[in-house]
Amino acid sequence: DTAVSQTPKYLVTQMGNDKSIKCEQNLGHDTMYWYKQDSKKFLKIMFSYNNKELIINETVPNRFSPKSPDKAHLNLHINSLELGDSAVYFCASSPASDAGTNTGELFFGEGSRLTVL
Amino acid sequence: GQNIDQPTEMTATEGAIVQINCTYQTSGFNGLFWYQQHAGEAPTFLSYNVLDGLEEKGRFSSFLSRSKGYSYLLLKELQMKDSASYLCAVVDSNYQLIWGAGTKLIIKP
Repeated sequence: DTAVSQTPKYLVTQMGNDKSIKCEQNLGHDTMYWYKQDSKKFLKIMFSYNNKELIINETVPNRFSPKSPDKAHLNLHINSLELGDSAVYFCASSPASDAGTNTGELFFGEGSRLTVL
Repeated sequence: GQNIDQPTEMTATEGAIVQINCTYQTSGFNGLFWYQQHAGEAPTFLSYNVLDGLEEKGRFSSFLSRSKGYSYLLLKELQMKDSASYLCAVVDSNYQLIWGAGTKLIIKP
């Protein structure tokens, strides 16, 4: 069974469109994250979230919004896509009980490669 | 500012030993992670150090010196499958993960 799964793996779309990436984890973890990995390979945290607290990286444009229907899911919705949004987006989870606490191992999904034309 | 430095790329020979260094300057320290990332795949956990010293796990070992802001990942008996990027990440005083850009390791026969 896949621990952290994301869909779609590949997404090609036009500038200005709205798109979503879904993420599900079956590990029973309390905290989920969205990371962006750009062409320079830096992993940048976008959001960390559990059922109590959402922490947003202040550098993330408000066109990006996380949506969590339940503890096992954290979807990423992006409005008005721009060329600079092209990157690989990784979902991850950890057993940390506090969205701001990173003392546990992160389990990553396989990534979703977004290309904006 | 917060900074994690790793070499961009290293090359080593199959069967040899390689050491990948990581130096960090962060606001506080609550541990350091090493992750492996094969091209086109997700990062996977290798090690976690929070106290000074060497942690050994099979062919891989990780060392930490908090006073020097320094860690290294040691890979022994290199195999072709070890070709990957190795990411160093530090947990700062706010328990936020600060990531390095990764070191691309190329293994040659």
